[in-house]
Amino acid sequence: KAGVTQTPRYLIKTRGQQVTLSCSPISGHRSVSWYQQTPGQGLQFLFEYFSETQRNKGNFPGRFSGRQFSNSRSEMNVSTLELGDSALYLCASSLAPGWADTQYFGPGTRLTVL
Amino acid sequence: KQEVTQIPAALSVPEGENLVLNCSFTDSAIYNLQWFRQDPGKGLTSLLLIQSSQREQTSGRLNASLDKSSGRSTLYIAASQPGDSATYLCAVSFGTGNQFYFGTGTSLTVIP
Repeated sequence: KAGVTQTPRYLIKTRGQQVTLSCSPISGHRSVSWYQQTPGQGLQFLFEYFSETQRNKGNFPGRFSGRQFSNSRSEMNVSTLELGDSALYLCASSLAPGWADTQYFGPGTRLTVL
Repeated sequence: KQEVTQIPAALSVPEGENLVLNCSFTDSAIYNLQWFRQDPGKGLTSLLLIQSSQREQTSGRLNASLDKSSGRSTLYIAASQPGDSATYLCAVSFGTGNQFYFGTGTSLTVIP
């Protein structure tokens, strides 16, 4: 069974540009969450999608947005990039939001903003 | 604000030693707790999931316990091996969704 895939794996952008990251969950998983990982702040929750609806959103500015498609694939977009957006962006999938559900993480997209 | 703390930040042990990693959280009303490992430059691998109604979970050489009243969880690794070298992260959720709050991790090095 294929794991969570994220594309691209590496990305270099300049300040002011925008970027779109993609996440394909494990087959059958309908919940997708996104996290940002930086050396200073660690892992921080961005948002969670289930059945194409955003269920939760972390404390990030409106420049960070996301969506989920009917096949459960998800994208996140960051507009007007800032240097501080340089991070590893991780996507996690699970069957559904719930207390008994293990989250499976993808390898991440490493974003560098110059 | 939910806070999750992990102690120690780094740990170096000789191969074969048993060890304990600690995780504490400020809100006892947790929904579940997961332990993950992360290898350098890689994503996270789930090790153990403890639901709020459970006290512990075991998988192979790993045992995780949960004490909600004291806001603590421990991950016990028996007979450590060099392949156990990684960063171990504790994550807690407080609702029915998948919004997890992560600790800063414990970097473990097992010396052959």
